[in-house]
Amino acid sequence: TQLLEQSPQFLSIQEGENLTVYCNSSSVFSSLQWYRQEPGEGPVLLVTVVTGGEVKKLKRLTFQFGDARKDSSLHITAAQPGDTGLYLCAGGDAGGTSYGKLTFGQGTILTVHP
Amino acid sequence: KAGVTQTPRYLIKTRGQQVTLSCSPISGHRSVSWYQQTPGQGLQFLFEYFSETQRNKGNFPGRFSGRQFSNSRSEMNVSTLELGDSALYLCASRRGGENTEAFFGQGTRLTVV
Repeated sequence: TQLLEQSPQFLSIQEGENLTVYCNSSSVFSSLQWYRQEPGEGPVLLVTVVTGGEVKKLKRLTFQFGDARKDSSLHITAAQPGDTGLYLCAGGDAGGTSYGKLTFGQGTILTVHP
Repeated sequence: KAGVTQTPRYLIKTRGQQVTLSCSPISGHRSVSWYQQTPGQGLQFLFEYFSETQRNKGNFPGRFSGRQFSNSRSEMNVSTLELGDSALYLCASRRGGENTEAFFGQGTRLTVV
């Protein structure tokens, strides 16, 4: 059974601060996806990383996939109140026909105070 | 390009009843997966359908079932509802093949009373 440990579970910061969310596993994933979810809505895909060591930047967000494809991080620079939400990492299965199955971390609830 | 459409958005059912939820994937996407999201368990994989065939199943009882039609639309059914089935049910649309990138619908909020 593949598991993804996401930390921290809660993060409350002031506008302008930087933060990092971590996603770790003992399993290898074929890809790692990061989502942001608002209350009562479905997760919105932020980025997909597929290559070990890959770094992707999306404005103030930087995503990294570990060299061994077992871990990932999301770094937000100069957080804004609009960044508030639930951040989820999700690992794609590495083999067979299980490409449609994503294993999700428990999520990080981020609150950015003005 | 239309996104993933789930209907209905909200549903209230009584214990013992059954319910059917619907999902229309993004045009051209052939894979539909279903997830259950609860505060305690997070997002849990239910099953995936590709070209009308169930390819993968999560660890849920047989009361949870699904199907996919030739136009890739999918339905999931839960029979003999229990209070613990109250959750946000999410449908994810994927192009298929080795591409794991999944796009979610807004979900159906099911409340069992």
